[in-house]
Amino acid sequence: GENVEQHPSTLSVQEGDSAVIKCTYSDSASNYFPWYKQELGKGPQLIIDIRSNVGEKKDQRIAVTLNKTAKHFSLHITETQPEDSAVYFCAASSIDSNYQLIWGAGTKLIIKP
Amino acid sequence: GAGVSQTPSNKVTEKGKYVELRCDPISGHTALYWYRQSLGQGPEFLIYFQGTGAADDSGLPNDRFFAVRPEGSVSTLKIQRTERGDSAVYLCASSLTSGSFHEQFFGPGTRLTVL
Repeated sequence: GENVEQHPSTLSVQEGDSAVIKCTYSDSASNYFPWYKQELGKGPQLIIDIRSNVGEKKDQRIAVTLNKTAKHFSLHITETQPEDSAVYFCAASSIDSNYQLIWGAGTKLIIKP
Repeated sequence: GAGVSQTPSNKVTEKGKYVELRCDPISGHTALYWYRQSLGQGPEFLIYFQGTGAADDSGLPNDRFFAVRPEGSVSTLKIQRTERGDSAVYLCASSLTSGSFHEQFFGPGTRLTVL
């Protein structure tokens, strides 16, 4: 079955700098890759997603890149702000897995003022 | 509009007891998912419903866990003979439908503590 690995487990960056979180997946059939942000005491919230027919997607300060050959995808946050501090999860899904989301272990992002 | 709600927000119980966790999905969402999240981990899939039926229950860890969604809206996750290892945050999510890549909207979770 699918396995998703996420790095780093903790990332501390200066406010205004960029943050990059990376994930790898094992199942070449996976073709949907969402990123979720989870704040303390809340459920995860979708921030951006990408499907396998594109290599990059942007939404304001957030971008996701996908390399299907290497089976990895990354989240890029530019001009980080204090409110970006949270735990970020990547996930992978495919038709073969009945659209189940297989999640990474999460990255705790800390924005230093 | 209202998001996914879960009750209770916290539940403390003793080993061996029975618990029920409730999820109210977003109105009109036909797909509903249950996940379990342990500290420092991503959500772990338990079961999902399309309408009233459990379309995939392959994530339920054993037969002590059961979930229902009798009218295709509210769902209840039931855990019998609770064990300390069941302690976790139980998350519920809903989406417009399953069978495609639709955004899942999560509730705040129920933190279950088994003493």
